[in-house]
Amino acid sequence: GAGVSQSPRYKVAKRGQDVALRCDPISGHVSLFWYQQALGQGPEFLTYFQNEAQLDKSGLPSDRFFAERPEGSVSTLKIQRTQQEDSAVYLCASSNQGLSSYEQYFGPGTRLTVT
Amino acid sequence: QKEVEQNSGPLSVPEGAIASLNCTYSDRVSQSFFWYRQYSGKSPELIMSIYSNGDKEDGRFTAQLNKASQYVSLLIRDSQPSDSATYLCAVNTNQAGTALIFGKGTTLSVSS
Repeated sequence: GAGVSQSPRYKVAKRGQDVALRCDPISGHVSLFWYQQALGQGPEFLTYFQNEAQLDKSGLPSDRFFAERPEGSVSTLKIQRTQQEDSAVYLCASSNQGLSSYEQYFGPGTRLTVT
Repeated sequence: QKEVEQNSGPLSVPEGAIASLNCTYSDRVSQSFFWYRQYSGKSPELIMSIYSNGDKEDGRFTAQLNKASQYVSLLIRDSQPSDSATYLCAVNTNQAGTALIFGKGTTLSVSS
């Protein structure tokens, strides 16, 4: 079956521009997570949705970062007024409910480069 | 501060050998443990999950968990060059929707 998909795969933005990153989770997966991965580091949590509700946004690094999942499926991570330190790979993961609800499956990621 | 520690490596093993990857974690309430494999330029791929003390085997992979020592490991038997990747250890509490806490990963290189 189809896995998690993300678009665009690569994004180059000039400093100060706004960007929007899209995530389409595995069909039927209730939980959706966004992570940020810097080079040579493990992924770091940004935010979590259960259906359309954003239940945890404690990892968002600043108020320039905003995420939504209005219909409980596709999610968008928006970064306003991008800065060079925002350059990273943004990963989306989804998980199901039930016995395997702790297992998270990642999409291919969006590599953001801010110049 | 919840932390997950891994030796960054690189860990180099010859083809056919056993590769042993280790991970320690600081938060005693951690209950779920995962190993992800990440090839260069790709996203993490879940290869093993373990929730109870002891060993869990899946093909050439064995995960070992010791909650008393706050230690989890991954053994790869009959290592192949295709196993060369970064292996990420991740933990979370036993609540659905809890964020994974990742280590920085250990780079494994299997030489033919």
